[in-house]
Amino acid sequence: GAGVSQSPSNKVTEKGKDVELRCDPISGHTALYWYRQRLGQGLEFLIYFQGNSAPDKSGLPSDRFSAERTGESVSTLTIQRTQQEDSAVYLCASSSYLGGRGDTQYFGPGTRLTVL
Amino acid sequence: KNQVEQSPQSLIILEGKNCTLQCNYTVSPFSNLRWYKQDTGRGPVSLTIMTFSENTKSNGRYTATLDADTKQSSLHITASQLSDSASYICVVSAITGFQKLVFGTGTRLLVSP
Repeated sequence: GAGVSQSPSNKVTEKGKDVELRCDPISGHTALYWYRQRLGQGLEFLIYFQGNSAPDKSGLPSDRFSAERTGESVSTLTIQRTQQEDSAVYLCASSSYLGGRGDTQYFGPGTRLTVL
Repeated sequence: KNQVEQSPQSLIILEGKNCTLQCNYTVSPFSNLRWYKQDTGRGPVSLTIMTFSENTKSNGRYTATLDADTKQSSLHITASQLSDSASYICVVSAITGFQKLVFGTGTRLLVSP
């Protein structure tokens, strides 16, 4: 498809387990963003990739969270030793940002993570 | 602290009526302001984007305004339709070398038949 895709769409896990969330950006988009959206709250910025490098990881809430991107395409967000407060929808977005201002971020449908 | 506040938190209107959603921000230095529509269970979709020099931007029945002096924006929806039922999110971008977006918590709009 032409849009941003994410998998899985839903993930239920037990507290303490590790999870991996995947994002496939729009082909050719160099910028990729991860956000978290807790129930009834706004989006929280987690991490930004420009190509394969991550110039801003300031939003990662703890060292249990990590992300990588390979081949300027697919990105994975890994949460280790999940906690119940990690339950949220994790959204990925991509854009063709090349250093200018005002380009549009296109969002995927999100992965709903539930930690029991 | 960079913040984006939206009002009202939720709104119910009758189909065919108009409505206006508000956004106040304290993000600095300002780069641009966007309005997104987020349907339940879906990712946000961009409606409008305005830079410092733009006062208004339209996208069909959606018209956004920006007052950079008072740091306020509004989204006006004309002749509402049932499909307009969604959350509308105001997002402000700060100039930090890349697009660091500050999201409002959104206004949940319900258009009733």
